Amino acid sequence: GAVVSQHPSRVICKSGTSVKIECRSLDFQATTMFWYRQFPKQSLMLMATSNEGSKATYEQGVEKDKFLINHASLTLSTLTVTSAHPEDSSFYICSARESGEQFFGPGTRLTVL
Amino acid sequence: GQQLNQSPQSMFIQEGEDVSMNCTSSSIFNTWLWYKQEPGEGPVLLIALYKAGELTSNGRLTAQFGITRKDSFLNISASIPSDVGIYFCAGRLVYNQGGKLIFGQGTELSVKP
Repeated sequence: GAVVSQHPSRVICKSGTSVKIECRSLDFQATTMFWYRQFPKQSLMLMATSNEGSKATYEQGVEKDKFLINHASLTLSTLTVTSAHPEDSSFYICSARESGEQFFGPGTRLTVL
Repeated sequence: GQQLNQSPQSMFIQEGEDVSMNCTSSSIFNTWLWYKQEPGEGPVLLIALYKAGELTSNGRLTAQFGITRKDSFLNISASIPSDVGIYFCAGRLVYNQGGKLIFGQGTELSVKP
């Protein structure tokens, strides 16, 4: 299957700082990527759909000014958590679609102190 | 929003036993995907289904797209310890809604050697 990478895999930051997470499709081009958040023992919660060359579409209840998404190329989408707070600590996973299948990155564990 | 009901929530089985889990919805889907997630990692795609009635195998795994297009099941035969993990179903609605996937709540599988 197609490969999606994420960087960093783990980040610890102080409250009030911003954190950028990168998502790359390694062997295919993705016009659409998705960003999810996952709490322990729970399912994946879609945060936003990232469209190459246009604005992201955010799910209800997700603050677009807090979770900035940029999809500058067909292989790269970034999620920036701005002014992070402890409640933003979570597992963030990106995904990219190739044909009908959707492949996930390995996730980024964010811990905000 | 749309929901997928996945059951069972958890299973504790003996190595060698067969496993069955399913997802149901009141909505109609045009794609069903089954994923496995291990701790600290992103979901890995196991099987993709695109047609009502489709039955697809991947090694010891078999999944079917329900004929009503509202359900899907995943079977694992002769389970082994490395099957441990959380299994998620995910579906894409007929009316697409941007191509996003809707996830089930997950089935946590434990296999006793």
